[in-house]
Amino acid sequence: DIQMTQSPSSVSASVGDRVTITCRATQDISSWLAWYQQKPGKAPKLLFYAASSLQSGVPSRFSGSGSGTEFTLTINSLQPEDFATYYCQQADTFPWTFGQGTKVEVK
Amino acid sequence: QVQLQESGPGLVKPSETLSLTCSVSGDPISPYYWSWVRQPPGKGLDWIGYFYYGGRSKYIPSLKSRATMSVDTSKNQLSLRLNSVTAADTAVYYCARFNQRLYAYDIWGQGTMVTVSA
Repeated sequence: DIQMTQSPSSVSASVGDRVTITCRATQDISSWLAWYQQKPGKAPKLLFYAASSLQSGVPSRFSGSGSGTEFTLTINSLQPEDFATYYCQQADTFPWTFGQGTKVEVK
Repeated sequence: QVQLQESGPGLVKPSETLSLTCSVSGDPISPYYWSWVRQPPGKGLDWIGYFYYGGRSKYIPSLKSRATMSVDTSKNQLSLRLNSVTAADTAVYYCARFNQRLYAYDIWGQGTMVTVSA
């Protein structure tokens, strides 16, 4: 199975900060990577598909990049509604797998 | 607007069978792939598998054939059955639509909590 490892596991930040989350795959997944945001008690919400394509309705302060085995999610100018847990997920090779999540917390 | 709504028993006894339903509104089930994803309390997301309305399915090997997904196109519903449950199956279960154009899960249900306990 392809393992997806996110770093850091948690990050403390303030409104206005720039936050970067990394997701590494144990083998090449091309650009078959998605990013999701999940708030407590809610379902995940798609942010990015194909590593860097912003889902409709997602603010442009979010950006995604990477290919192969290393990917990043960046939040520029963190807003109060961005405090949440973020997951990466690969759909290149069965079984599709999620990263363990990165919690963005209030500093 | 496409919406998914999971429903289930809430509480299941160990060794019994868990049955969940996901009702889809706003779009037909075909021709999408559908998945169930679960999340144990306080933990991350675990992909269970996918089902394609044409009958193709894949499940995570660790479930060891305990899981079965199906669709009922007449009711626009998908289902998950999980046999021989244990406490490790306690989780919030989400159904999600895999959008083949995006190659990602673009629509999720709100989730249903299932507790396995005697």
